[in-house]
Amino acid sequence: KQEVTQIPAALSVPEGENLVLNCSFTDSAIYNLQWFRQDHGKGLTSLLLIQSSQREQTSGRLNASLDKSSGRSTLYIAASQPGDSATYLCAVFFSGGYQKVTFGTGTKLQVIP
Amino acid sequence: EPEVTQTPSHQVTQMGQEVILRCVPISNHLYFYWYRQILGQKVEFLVSFYNNEISEKSEIFDDQFSVERPDGSNFTLKIRSTKLEDSAMYFCASSSVGPETQYFGPGTRLLVL
Repeated sequence: KQEVTQIPAALSVPEGENLVLNCSFTDSAIYNLQWFRQDHGKGLTSLLLIQSSQREQTSGRLNASLDKSSGRSTLYIAASQPGDSATYLCAVFFSGGYQKVTFGTGTKLQVIP
Repeated sequence: EPEVTQTPSHQVTQMGQEVILRCVPISNHLYFYWYRQILGQKVEFLVSFYNNEISEKSEIFDDQFSVERPDGSNFTLKIRSTKLEDSAMYFCASSSVGPETQYFGPGTRLLVL
């Protein structure tokens, strides 16, 4: 079964700290992996999309890496700010003919001023 | 930048009533999807739609659900007789030449009383 897992489920850090969020997936045959941000009760904001042929993507203070062979991706957030507080979701598009994105349960981040 | 839009943003309905959730995908996209997220749970795939027919659906997508592309721009999800457990955030997504890169709308929050 193709699954996506995110650990930890919650994370609290002081403002200014660099942090890493983890995502693991059970099948290395993927098309892409996407990181989303979701504010409480709100919709999805796409942060970064990494194609299977890529190793990393960067946008501002965010850097996402992909290691297909180990089934892992990380989202690095530099110099965290209180406005970064949200739930971060990892979503994988697995190969194999399935037309759906499989989401992890998310990591709820709180950045303390 | 083109984006997927959804209406309404919030909907409250009585159990047993029919609801129609509307989505306007990105204009040149050919693949359309619905996902849902029950509060506190992960985002789950419901259905994918291509070439005017359902191409894949999950076990959640039972006979109470239907999808339609009534014209060249809208994509709708209908729930015929809503149940309390249908309360969730519903996300529409679309993609262009292939199903692997999906762009998500902001979601419709449905509350069934």
